[in-house]
Amino acid sequence: DQQVKQNSPSLSVQEGRISILNCDYTNSMFDYFLWYKKYPAEGPTFLISISSIKDKNEDGRFTVFLNKSAKHLSLHIVPSQPGDSAVYFCAASAPTGGFKTIFGAGTRLFVKA
Amino acid sequence: DAEITQSPRHKITETGRQVTLACHQTWNHNNMFWYRQDLGHGLRLIHYSYGVQDTNKGEVSDGYSVSRSNTEDLPLTLESAASSQTSVYFCASSESTRGGQYFGPGTRLTVT
Repeated sequence: DQQVKQNSPSLSVQEGRISILNCDYTNSMFDYFLWYKKYPAEGPTFLISISSIKDKNEDGRFTVFLNKSAKHLSLHIVPSQPGDSAVYFCAASAPTGGFKTIFGAGTRLFVKA
Repeated sequence: DAEITQSPRHKITETGRQVTLACHQTWNHNNMFWYRQDLGHGLRLIHYSYGVQDTNKGEVSDGYSVSRSNTEDLPLTLESAASSQTSVYFCASSESTRGGQYFGPGTRLTVT
């Protein structure tokens, strides 16, 4: 039973346009959410996070939006660059159960030049 | 510069053998984690530690063990390797229990 779901295995976007990566979760106890980026043959790299007390967090070209009522979050990348081509993982943790971080299956983003 | 390293980067072993994967971090982080990455599953937590002598089971801990004798190292041991344990293994560390984690480069393990 996947508690964090990334339903789109892949996404293709033109350079300069907006990339929107989506993530849904089922556990209402999750209160902290993170996005990671992963290039082939490397470990994931932390990108941005958001606490459940906020509905938006921005860092440069990356913005994460959280909709608690829908149990949905999204990562917006504007403008998209070819170097953004990678696998993006959504992750969540709850204040119970030892703060374990649960990851989604990932979405592969292709940014075409 | 602080870093987190894993060794070996690649390993092939036979079913039934004991295997230990090393993880070493110089961030001086109290929190360390082991994940495995499989197609369609993303990253799944195997074991984690919030400090020396502290270890906890994650989502997929059966067949794996860890020990934490110092801050820098969290070795992962497969007691009796099985083909289902063929995977890419990532070690990570973090300063806080909720914050972003720093990941190592991964170890690709093949069990034949």
